[in-house]
Amino acid sequence: AQSVTQLGSHVSVSEGALVLLRCNYSSSVPPYLFWYVQYPNQGLQLLLKYTSAATLVKGINGFEAEFKKSETSFHLTKPSAHMSDAAEYFCAVSDTGFQKLVFGTGTRLLVSP
Amino acid sequence: NAGVTQTPKFRVLKTGQSMTLLCAQDMNHEYMYWYRQDPGMGLRLIHYSVGEGTTAKGEVPDGYNVSRLKKQNFLLGLESAAPSQTSVYFCASSSWGAGTDTQYFGPGTRLTVL
Repeated sequence: AQSVTQLGSHVSVSEGALVLLRCNYSSSVPPYLFWYVQYPNQGLQLLLKYTSAATLVKGINGFEAEFKKSETSFHLTKPSAHMSDAAEYFCAVSDTGFQKLVFGTGTRLLVSP
Repeated sequence: NAGVTQTPKFRVLKTGQSMTLLCAQDMNHEYMYWYRQDPGMGLRLIHYSVGEGTTAKGEVPDGYNVSRLKKQNFLLGLESAAPSQTSVYFCASSSWGAGTDTQYFGPGTRLTVL
């Protein structure tokens, strides 16, 4: 069965520091992978997605993620955190029929001045 | 474009009561989804629909029913609410399956069952 594991329910960084949010996946087929972001009291919105084209995927707000098949990972990074990046981030993997997503449990990013 | 809207935004029920949550999208999307979000558990799929008149079970369907009589609407029903159904409910839609396509989420409905 498809699954994702997000290491760390909370990650704290200082403004201007590197952001690294970890995601490892398990999939029986070549996966499509997604990162969604949820700002307080809002629904989720797409940050970026990997659909088997380029392994380095660039998203909105300066975020990017690299698909590493050998490590079954799809970690999210941003070179310099901004206060407005404080949110919850969800990694997700497609199901085998590509009709649904399986979400991870989320990582809350805290950014301090 | 309103995108995906959900009604109501908040609701408090007593155990055993019933209610219907309404999701509407104006993007002509084929696929629609209902999720619940609980602390530490991420989003879990309740039911979904791949087109008007179709529905399918997700990961946690027990205690819920759905209907998709019109393409733009997806209703989630709780026939006899239980405290375990206290959660935040999100509706989402996409042109193609969520496994390949961007999902657009509504703002959520916060439900408390006493």
